[in-house]
Amino acid sequence: QVQLQESGPGLVKPSQTLSLTCTVSGASISGGSYYWSWIRHPAGKGPEWIGRIHTTGSTDYNPSLKSRVTISIDTSKNRFSLKLTSVTAADTAEYYCARGTPMLTGVDHWGQGTLVTVSS
Amino acid sequence: DIVMTQPPLSLAVTPGEPASISCRSSQSLLYSNGYNYLEWHLQKPGQSPQLLIYLGSNRASGVPDRFSGSGSGTDFTLKISRVEAEDVGVYYCMQPLQAPYTFGQGTKLEIK
Repeated sequence: QVQLQESGPGLVKPSQTLSLTCTVSGASISGGSYYWSWIRHPAGKGPEWIGRIHTTGSTDYNPSLKSRVTISIDTSKNRFSLKLTSVTAADTAEYYCARGTPMLTGVDHWGQGTLVTVSS
Repeated sequence: DIVMTQPPLSLAVTPGEPASISCRSSQSLLYSNGYNYLEWHLQKPGQSPQLLIYLGSNRASGVPDRFSGSGSGTDFTLKISRVEAEDVGVYYCMQPLQAPYTFGQGTKLEIK
C-alpha cells in the first residue's frame, strides 16, 4: 500500500521560501503513470490544489500560485518536493502531498499532512 | 476555474438514518469518455482526507457499500444509506477534470 509522508519546517518567516518534501513508500515514484500533487488547507477554508508533477516530470500549477511555486521530483530518493517563494501569513495552512492516477483519480492517496505557519 | 458548491455546510443525522450531501459544479464534469470527473473525500477528525468515491459513482477500495455517489454533469450527490458514528467528519467534493483541481467548502456531518 502506497504511503506518503510530508516533511519540512513548521515555521517559515514572511518573504522567505517554504520548502516541503514528500517521501513515498510502498511503491516506486517512477513505477507507472501517476500525478504527484501538493494541496493545502488553510484553517476555516476549503482545500486548495497547489499543483502536480507527473512521473515524466511535466508539471501543472494553480494559476493563483504559479509565479511562486516549483514542484520537482527525485526518483533516486523516491520523493517529490514543493517550493513556495515569498510567503506571507496567507500561506499558513496544513500542507498535504497526494497521488492521483491519470484518467481515473485526482487524488487516491493522501499524506498525513504538515502544518506550516508563516510568522516572524 | 471550476467552482464547486456544497450546500449545506453542516448536517446532523441520527445513527441508522440516511444522509445526503449535495455538490454542484459551475461547469459540466462529464468528459468525452462518458465518465464524470467528480470525487468525494472524507476528512475524519484528526485525520488526513481519504478518497471515498471517484468518477462520480465508484467506491474506492475499502469504502463500505453504505456510501454511494450519483449524478452527472453539474449536479452530484453522496448518499449514506445508514449513518454510523464513524462517519462523522467533513465531506468534500472535488473535481479533477481540469487543472486547477477545485474543492467544495465541505459539509460537516455530525451525529445527533
